[in-house]
Amino acid sequence: GAVVSQHPSWVICKSGTSVKIECRSLDFQATTMFWYRQFPKQSLMLMATSNEGSKATYEQGVEKDKFLINHASLTLSTLTVTSAHPEDSSFYICSAQRRGGLAYEQYFGPGTRLTVT
Amino acid sequence: TQLLEQSPQFLSIQEGENLTVYCNSSSVFSSLQWYRQEPGEGPVLLVTVVTGGEVKKLKRLTFQFGDARKDSSLHITAAQPGDTGLYLCAGDGSSNTGKLIFGQGTTLQVKP
Repeated sequence: GAVVSQHPSWVICKSGTSVKIECRSLDFQATTMFWYRQFPKQSLMLMATSNEGSKATYEQGVEKDKFLINHASLTLSTLTVTSAHPEDSSFYICSAQRRGGLAYEQYFGPGTRLTVT
Repeated sequence: TQLLEQSPQFLSIQEGENLTVYCNSSSVFSSLQWYRQEPGEGPVLLVTVVTGGEVKKLKRLTFQFGDARKDSSLHITAAQPGDTGLYLCAGDGSSNTGKLIFGQGTTLQVKP
């Protein structure tokens, strides 16, 4: 159990366009999902916390109008990168939170490689 | 601000050697998780430790949570090339919200 999918796995878009990334928990319900960004050979950088039925909580320095998050159901969260620029090129990873015994655990999707030309 | 200092950041060893990765903080964590990530993929959860002093084993991997729940270690015995990857520790702040604080990661290369 605890499988999380992401779609698309990679995408190339032109500067100025918008791109939507989907994150789905396939075999459990997740009231909370997280969106991360990762640069090559670096750790994960949390962008925002996505809560089902309410507004996302963004980390300091992350533009909420640029990175739109919608948590439409208990199994789906989407991240839309609006007016993408080359500096938005990165590896975006989502995770879904599940309670496992005494602790919350996060299960990660396979990631989406975004390249903005 | 809670921080997790992970060391070493890079490790290149020969097959059969042992190694230890450390995660240290001045803050208390309600739980700590270890992940392994391969290039181009998402991190995979290896273990969650919750109790101070807890030790968990996963085949050749041994995970330990410090008594004060401020630090953790991952020990690999007789490393194999298949252990190659990025190892990440991540702690849930003492508020137990599920929001994780990640260490910088340890890139491990095991040469055959």
